[in-house]
Amino acid sequence: QKEVEQNSGPLSVPEGAIASLNCTYSDRGSQSFFWYRQYSGKSPELIMFIYSNGDKEDGRFTAQLNKASQYVSLLIRDSQPSDSATYLCAVNDDYKLSFGAGTTVTVRA
Amino acid sequence: DTGVSQDPRHKITKRGQNVTFRCDPISEHNRLYWYRQTLGQGPEFLTYFQNEAQLEKSRLLSDRFSAERPKGSFSTLEIQRTEQGDSAMYLCASSYPGTSGGGEQYFGPGTRLTVT
Repeated sequence: QKEVEQNSGPLSVPEGAIASLNCTYSDRGSQSFFWYRQYSGKSPELIMFIYSNGDKEDGRFTAQLNKASQYVSLLIRDSQPSDSATYLCAVNDDYKLSFGAGTTVTVRA
Repeated sequence: DTGVSQDPRHKITKRGQNVTFRCDPISEHNRLYWYRQTLGQGPEFLTYFQNEAQLEKSRLLSDRFSAERPKGSFSTLEIQRTEQGDSAMYLCASSYPGTSGGGEQYFGPGTRLTVT
């Protein structure tokens, strides 16, 4: 499987702040990039996907992709306690996904 | 669209027993994937189907694991002669062919297996 690295956590941010999550991947040929949110004891939930260089915004989430640097990030604006979870970065490897180990985010009130 | 469903949600078994898990994908999705996740790690790919054809199986997957998708709808994952190292969350996902790669994959709730 392709290597996907995420910045080690845990990441603690105050309520209302921006949480910034980073991910690098090994295969320059990767085409599809995904962010999943996983609450403790639950399965991963797809929250963002991005296929082209640049930014993609959806509500309080922004995904950023830089294929030249093999880097994808997720910004969570106006962080809420409900955003406390583990965020998984995934990259396509043909039709399957290769995942990073995840970054745990805690939003403190 | 009722989402991906998996059954059972939890399974406790004794070492050496066989277990079988079922996954029902989102109805219009023709691709179905099985992953395994252990604590502190991201999901690890096991195998995937396009319709009823099993197109790829992880090289890391023991011969004790087998999966089927007989009519291109639901899938089963069987583990024979379970070992304690098989304890994990088994996740099923499905997707519709996207513009790039395999498309967006949506996960079911998972089956948590504990081997005692």
